[in-house]
Amino acid sequence: NAGVTQTPKFQVLKTGQSMTLQCAQDMNHNSMYWYRQDPGMGLRLIYYSASEGTTDKGEVPNGYNVSRLNKREFSLRLESAAPSQTSVYFCASSVGGRTDTQYFGPGTRLTVL
Amino acid sequence: QKEVEQNSGPLSVPEGAIASLNCTYSDRGSQSFFWYRQYSGKSPELIMFIYSNGDKEDGRFTAQLNKASQYVSLLIRDSQPSDSATYLCAVNPSGYALNFGKGTSLLVTP
Repeated sequence: NAGVTQTPKFQVLKTGQSMTLQCAQDMNHNSMYWYRQDPGMGLRLIYYSASEGTTDKGEVPNGYNVSRLNKREFSLRLESAAPSQTSVYFCASSVGGRTDTQYFGPGTRLTVL
Repeated sequence: QKEVEQNSGPLSVPEGAIASLNCTYSDRGSQSFFWYRQYSGKSPELIMFIYSNGDKEDGRFTAQLNKASQYVSLLIRDSQPSDSATYLCAVNPSGYALNFGKGTSLLVTP
């Protein structure tokens, strides 16, 4: 039982390049989330998927797109990376519901030059 | 903007003491409350959650919730150097998304 996995762990991009961050969970969770974490800013929600087939914007969605590929997988795409997107990206998942405990993946450290 | 406020710290306590971490939130409709611990360079890990007024204990950790005052706290008894980390308070107003505070850095000195 790996929990939440993310690939890659580290990535360096040049401004304007695109990439997709992958996330998968093996806990049969319904809901999945993408956050970014910047120094002094805390965790901010980018997008989430309450259930397979649905996605919704969070606090900071601009410059990102997501795909809920199936119940297990939720990807985050940067179409044209900008230096402001340099951050640590965390994927999380939860059963969904009142307590909504979210479990986090190990993170991806992204640098955009 | 639904806000979750935490003192950034660092909060320094000696080994064996009680560490008290506090959090306030702005959305009165919030239903559930979480404390996560995050070591430097690692991902957040859940310590405990609480959704009823009062205290909830789990080992050395106690979460306290006061919805009337919009206040949630985490007490760590018998603090150990291994407890040194950033503690994130998270609030679920309703539905699916969590609002996180910016975290309090805790340093437990031997």
